[in-house]
Amino acid sequence: QKEVEQNSGPLSVPEGAIASLNCTYSDRGSQSFFWYRQYSGKSPELIMFIYSNGDKEDGRFTAQLNKASQYVSLLIRDSQPSDSATYLCAVGPSREKLTFGTGTRLTIIP
Amino acid sequence: DAGVIQSPRHEVTEMGQEVTLRCKPISGHDYLFWYRQTMMRGLELLIYFNNNVPIDDSGMPEDRFSAKMPNASFSTLKIQPSEPRDSAVYFCASSIRGRSGANVLTFGAGSRLTVL
Repeated sequence: QKEVEQNSGPLSVPEGAIASLNCTYSDRGSQSFFWYRQYSGKSPELIMFIYSNGDKEDGRFTAQLNKASQYVSLLIRDSQPSDSATYLCAVGPSREKLTFGTGTRLTIIP
Repeated sequence: DAGVIQSPRHEVTEMGQEVTLRCKPISGHDYLFWYRQTMMRGLELLIYFNNNVPIDDSGMPEDRFSAKMPNASFSTLKIQPSEPRDSAVYFCASSIRGRSGANVLTFGAGSRLTVL
């Protein structure tokens, strides 16, 4: 069983709408939660990280963490075509030892 | 800042051959990671170093894989002998813990390996 689960998509969202990406994990001892974005043929790049239960906002992005339910989500407000990419959730017991999900492919429709 | 530099960008080799992938981390970063990415398994952590010392190699698939970091500015990942199932994109990443405590990975462009 994969330790970090993501819906592979593709997830299609109209431009300007909110995109909601979800991730569940199996290790209750996980302490570190990251979201990375990967454009096709490129390397992953950090969007944001979250360590505490609740919401964390950074511009158009909001990460939500619920340790009791073992899920972490990423909301993208006012979606833009440039947001079209694969979004990787990474979870780990420490900030170094991360397990990545296989990613959700997001397409923003103009 | 040139970022994390990996070479070669593409490597095509035949089964049984030795493959060496190279990485130059960002200057000042004290962590270095090797990841492998395939469609089926996603991004997998192979090994990581802190201050040139291997900390966790539990992700290295088998003895055919080895990694070294002889100094702060260079690391290698070697596969000997290579097999077709090793075909993947291999990413090197480096990081440093910021004031927030976050250890944010900066990835290199990756080395795409094809073993025939």
